[in-house]
Amino acid sequence: DTGVSQNPRHKITKRGQNVTFRCDPISEHNRLYWYRQTLGQGPEFLTYFQNEAQLEKSRLLSDRFSAERPKGSFSTLEIQRTEQGDSAMYLCASSLENRAGDYNSPLHFGNGTRLTVT
Amino acid sequence: AQKITQTQPGMFVQEKEAVTLDCTYDTSDQSYGLFWYKQPSSGEMIFLIYQGSYDEQNATEGRYSLNFQKARKSANLVISASQLGDSAMYFCAMTMMDTGRRALTFGSGTRLQVQP
Repeated sequence: DTGVSQNPRHKITKRGQNVTFRCDPISEHNRLYWYRQTLGQGPEFLTYFQNEAQLEKSRLLSDRFSAERPKGSFSTLEIQRTEQGDSAMYLCASSLENRAGDYNSPLHFGNGTRLTVT
Repeated sequence: AQKITQTQPGMFVQEKEAVTLDCTYDTSDQSYGLFWYKQPSSGEMIFLIYQGSYDEQNATEGRYSLNFQKARKSANLVISASQLGDSAMYFCAMTMMDTGRRALTFGSGTRLQVQP
């Protein structure tokens, strides 16, 4: 168990540029989540995958945001035309659903990617 | 919509003493799960403890216990024998089973500082 890995750890970009983050979940985990966390706040849900299917998206996920998990393994989160309000920590988490309705599986989080938009 | 409320932005506790971190929730679902996570200054989110809405006994994990009062919709975290390494942000979170919302919804957190 190597844990959830996120790259890069830090990203500084200019307003209007596109950025892409990568998340490698724990290998046997079938669920993958993206969250955003701003200073002093709890993580806010963005989107979630079950294997390669994107099953839920938050209203926070504007049309400038897109997430993929093409082969049900790693995932990418892209932000197009970044704005200063996008500056935050982007957290990825994964979990294993052993059976349908298994809601007590804890999420395992990565260390996040800190985005700064100047 | 579900909501998690943590009313204590910050708490202080003396080393070796017990501390309770408050969490209340609001949901119309009958089936839900409640979680507590710890976030040290290094940033990683660490799972601490889980309580299911139908669990009759309060969950315990080592020095952590969850004081679950379903009628009051509260799920307070109790840390016994506080240690300096317990200083961190603590987040309460919930999933809902009836509506199938599997993603965790987090509260705004409580910053705990353990004093020697």
